[in-house]
Amino acid sequence: NAGVTQTPKFQVLKTGQSMTLQCAQDMNHNSMYWYRQDPGMGLRLIYYSASEGTTDKGEVPNGYNVSRLNKREFSLRLESAAPSQTSVYFCASSEYAGGNTEAFFGQGTRLTVV
Amino acid sequence: AQKITQTQPGMFVQEKEAVTLDCTYDTSDPSYGLFWYKQPSSGEMIFLIYQGSYDQQNATEGRYSLNFQKARKSANLVISASQLGDSAMYFCAMRETNQAGTALIFGKGTTLSVSS
Repeated sequence: NAGVTQTPKFQVLKTGQSMTLQCAQDMNHNSMYWYRQDPGMGLRLIYYSASEGTTDKGEVPNGYNVSRLNKREFSLRLESAAPSQTSVYFCASSEYAGGNTEAFFGQGTRLTVV
Repeated sequence: AQKITQTQPGMFVQEKEAVTLDCTYDTSDPSYGLFWYKQPSSGEMIFLIYQGSYDQQNATEGRYSLNFQKARKSANLVISASQLGDSAMYFCAMRETNQAGTALIFGKGTTLSVSS
């Protein structure tokens, strides 16, 4: 089973460039999440989608946009990349937003903005 | 204010010993869930154990157990009989419902080093 698939795995951008991080899950999960991980900061929630058709801001949404394209796919867009957005990005999904359902994570995307 | 606090940036333990990783949380929601994840140096996030706020008993999964003290708002992870392969970063997380919806919030993590 593929689980949660993120593309690309690595990316280098120049300041001001735009890009979209793709995420797809094949577990028929309702909820999907985007996190960024920085040294010493843990994982911080950027945006999440509790169910298809809904998206909400997390702790650090500035500079990002998301699209829940369908139940399987949840993309994260950087419109104008900044060096402060250099990070490892994780997509995750869970069966639904509440209860004891754990989140399953993708392998991460290591993004460097120069 | 931090929702999830992990006060131990690093912990060291000898093989076969038990170790406790601390986690305290802050929420006013009576219904919440607490999770622990492991992140080895390879980077993937691995789910370890879950505790619900209404669960009467502490959760256990093999060598992992969760010491849940609701009144103190703590959810410490206990790893018994540590193995070299347990060396990793460990994250405590809480599922919380607020006005916007429900999301999983993480602490900053604890790095565990197991030596032989």
